[in-house]
Amino acid sequence: GENVEQHPSTLSVQEGDSAVIKCTYSDSASNYFPWYKQELGKRPQLIIDIRSNVGEKKDQRIAVTLNKTAKHFSLHITETQPEDSAVYFCAAEERDDKIIFGKGTRLHILP
Amino acid sequence: DAGITQSPRYKITETGRQVTLMCHQTWSHSYMFWYRQDLGHGLRLIYYSAAADITDKGEVPDGYVVSRSKTENFPLTLESATRSQTSVYFCASRPGQRYEQYFGPGTRLTVT
Repeated sequence: GENVEQHPSTLSVQEGDSAVIKCTYSDSASNYFPWYKQELGKRPQLIIDIRSNVGEKKDQRIAVTLNKTAKHFSLHITETQPEDSAVYFCAAEERDDKIIFGKGTRLHILP
Repeated sequence: DAGITQSPRYKITETGRQVTLMCHQTWSHSYMFWYRQDLGHGLRLIYYSAAADITDKGEVPDGYVVSRSKTENFPLTLESATRSQTSVYFCASRPGQRYEQYFGPGTRLTVT
């Protein structure tokens, strides 16, 4: 089955700097890759997703890149703000439609 | 967000007892999922369902049972609760492949 690896587990960046979180997946048939943000005590919520027919997608300060050949995808957050502090999860959809998550990255935005 | 609900939100039970966590969605989404969230493990898939009367195992199904007789409901039962099943449980639904998955508010379960 699918295995999703996520790095780093913890990331601290100065407010205003950029943050990058990287994930790899194992199933070459996977073709949908969502990213979720989870604030403390709350449910995960989708922030951006990418399908395998595109290599990059951007939504304001957030972008995701996908390299299907290398089986890795990354989340980029620019001009970080205090409200970006949260846990971020990458995920990949397996060929049998289930979504497998990485273990998460705790992002700290330092003042 | 009111479209997917979970009950109870908090539950304390004893080892060996049976407990059922409920999940209800009002969107008529085809797919429903159960995850558990533990520190250091992220979100691990327990069971999922592609439609009513169709269920399949996820990454960590042992000790759990699911059913889906109606599209809108997807209960999760712990047949004989163990301390290792202490966790936060999230239900989720999605309308189809390659679409956003919506999470419920979660159930915090403690097994003593």
